[in-house]
Amino acid sequence: EDKVVQSPLSLVVHEGDTVTLNCSYEVTNFRSLLWYKQEKKAPTFLFMLTSSGIEKKSGRLSSILDKKELFSILNITATQTGDSAIYLCVLSGGSNYKLTFGKGTLLTVNP
Amino acid sequence: DTAVSQTPKYLVTQMGNDKSIKCEQNLGHDTMYWYKQDSKKFLKIMFSYNNKELIINETVPNRFSPKSPDKAHLNLHINSLELGDSAVYFCASSQVWTSPPDTQYFGPGTRLTVL
Repeated sequence: EDKVVQSPLSLVVHEGDTVTLNCSYEVTNFRSLLWYKQEKKAPTFLFMLTSSGIEKKSGRLSSILDKKELFSILNITATQTGDSAIYLCVLSGGSNYKLTFGKGTLLTVNP
Repeated sequence: DTAVSQTPKYLVTQMGNDKSIKCEQNLGHDTMYWYKQDSKKFLKIMFSYNNKELIINETVPNRFSPKSPDKAHLNLHINSLELGDSAVYFCASSQVWTSPPDTQYFGPGTRLTVL
């Protein structure tokens, strides 16, 4: 059975800190790994990772995938209170594009 | 301008009632999804349709029935509502067969409260 494990489940930091969110997975027929940010409304897409070792960056956020060790990390530098959200790691794999969701990491950034 | 829209945004109803949630996307995508987000914020896929055909049907009570009249619409009908059905339901769409294949765009969600 496909599995996605995120850690930590929750994290409290101060503005300006750098955080690293972890996602490990098990899947048959890996297709891609996605990161989403969810605030009060619907999740918003952050990154899609398909290849190992290639870092994706968007502003202060970056992510990388290790397909050999089966994990991905999401880094956020110089955190701001607006980064407070649940970060979801989602795995796409299997024969019919099934998505497996992690439980998310709740990040709280205090001023 | 809205890419993925859902109606209604809020739905409060009594146990035992039948209700529908509508979803429409104007992105020209081939695939649409329904997700349920429980009280712990865990997002779980329920159904996926590709070109109006059901391709993912997770373990969901058969009181839930998706209907896709065309590629741009995927509605969710729920019969005999139960207290445990209270949740936020998200619709999403993606162009699965092109690159990037798995990017999904979400609607704003429908908060269903069953009393």
